[in-house]
Amino acid sequence: QQQVKQSPQSLIVQKGGISIINCAYENTAFDYFPWYQQFPGKGPALLIAIRPDVSEKKEGRFTISFNKSAKQFSLHIMDSQPGDSATYFCAAGANNLFFGTGTRLTVIP
Amino acid sequence: DAGVIQSPRHEVTEMGQEVTLRCKPISGHDYLFWYRQTMMRGLELLIYFNNNVPIDDSGMPEDRFSAKMPNASFSTLKIQPSEPRDSAVYFCASTSGGAYGYTFGSGTRLTVV
Repeated sequence: QQQVKQSPQSLIVQKGGISIINCAYENTAFDYFPWYQQFPGKGPALLIAIRPDVSEKKEGRFTISFNKSAKQFSLHIMDSQPGDSATYFCAAGANNLFFGTGTRLTVIP
Repeated sequence: DAGVIQSPRHEVTEMGQEVTLRCKPISGHDYLFWYRQTMMRGLELLIYFNNNVPIDDSGMPEDRFSAKMPNASFSTLKIQPSEPRDSAVYFCASTSGGAYGYTFGSGTRLTVV
């Protein structure tokens, strides 16, 4: 049973464009919703995270939008750059994290 | 701090052999997690410890897998006997607050032939 569902599986965006990745969760006990970025050969690294008491969090070019009633959250990458090309994972949990299946983002120069 | 340290980085072994993966968490972190990453199933939680005590091992695939944390600075994941379907990248992560702020190691890429 997939606790966190993520889409799309892959995404190609032009440099300067907006990248949007979506996730949905089932368990209403989850209280922490991070996004991780992974480069080939490396472990996932925390990018940005949100708690359910706010609907949006922005850090630089990265924004999380959170919809508690719909049990959905999304990552927006503004002004996407080639250096953003990586695999992105959403996650959700309380004592431990359940991860989505990942989105491979490619930003074309 | 050097971060979460995993060894070896790569392991190639023959089916039926015992494999031991090692992890050193960040000093002061009291949670340690073992995940397995495959293309088909993504990141799966295998087991996690709090203060060296296993809390949830429901993700361990079968009895061939075992994990220990003898002290706050060391954990092992053992597969005995190994099978080709165990081929994956195994990650260790640590944190001081449960789900909050995982730091992952660089992983061990296991290939069972």
